[in-house]
Amino acid sequence: GAVVSQHPSWVICKSGTSVKIECRSLDFQATTMFWYRQFPKQSLMLMATSNEGSKATYEQGVEKDKFLINHASLTLSTLTVTSAHPEDSSFYICSARVPGGFNEQFFGPGTRLTVL
Amino acid sequence: AQSVAQPEDQVNVAEGNPLTVKCTYSVSGNPYLFWYVQYPNRGLQFLLKYITGDNLVKGSYGFEAEFNKSQTSFHLKKPSALVSDSALYFCAVRINSGYSTLTFGKGTMLLVSP
Repeated sequence: GAVVSQHPSWVICKSGTSVKIECRSLDFQATTMFWYRQFPKQSLMLMATSNEGSKATYEQGVEKDKFLINHASLTLSTLTVTSAHPEDSSFYICSARVPGGFNEQFFGPGTRLTVL
Repeated sequence: AQSVAQPEDQVNVAEGNPLTVKCTYSVSGNPYLFWYVQYPNRGLQFLLKYITGDNLVKGSYGFEAEFNKSQTSFHLKKPSALVSDSALYFCAVRINSGYSTLTFGKGTMLLVSP
């Protein structure tokens, strides 16, 4: 089956620093990847849709300058949390869409971000 | 707009008993329906999906779900619960056209007691 990886699996950073999270599709090419945010015991909130070679589409209320998304290749999308603050602490999950068929999504294992 | 409702925040069941986790949906069009499970500090693991065909869908780890179009429901079931089934379960829906995005329910915590 399709495998999606994320790196790092957890990160702790100081307030004001930037953190980059990578999402990779390991055995397929993904023209579209998605970034979700999840607060404890809550559902996944779609932050943005990342399309290879073009600008990401952000959901309403998500700050584009805060959460920078780059989908530079067919197997890699990155999410950079700029000038992180404690309220950015969360669990970030990416998914990648398998092209063709019914365009199924496969999810990465998630990244736990803690901002001190 | 599409939406998913999981009416129960938590479901408690004793090991060996049958379990049901409820899900209803709303879409304008024909739905694709999914169930995912999440263990603490982990991503989502796919359990099963309904695309078309037989309304009863069998998935991983002995789980199954029944698509009921008239009731717009897709309840998750298992005949005999295991303690290891304790986790957070998400129902999700998208319409079956183009590149529609998934919409998730708020999740239901399943607790299976020994």
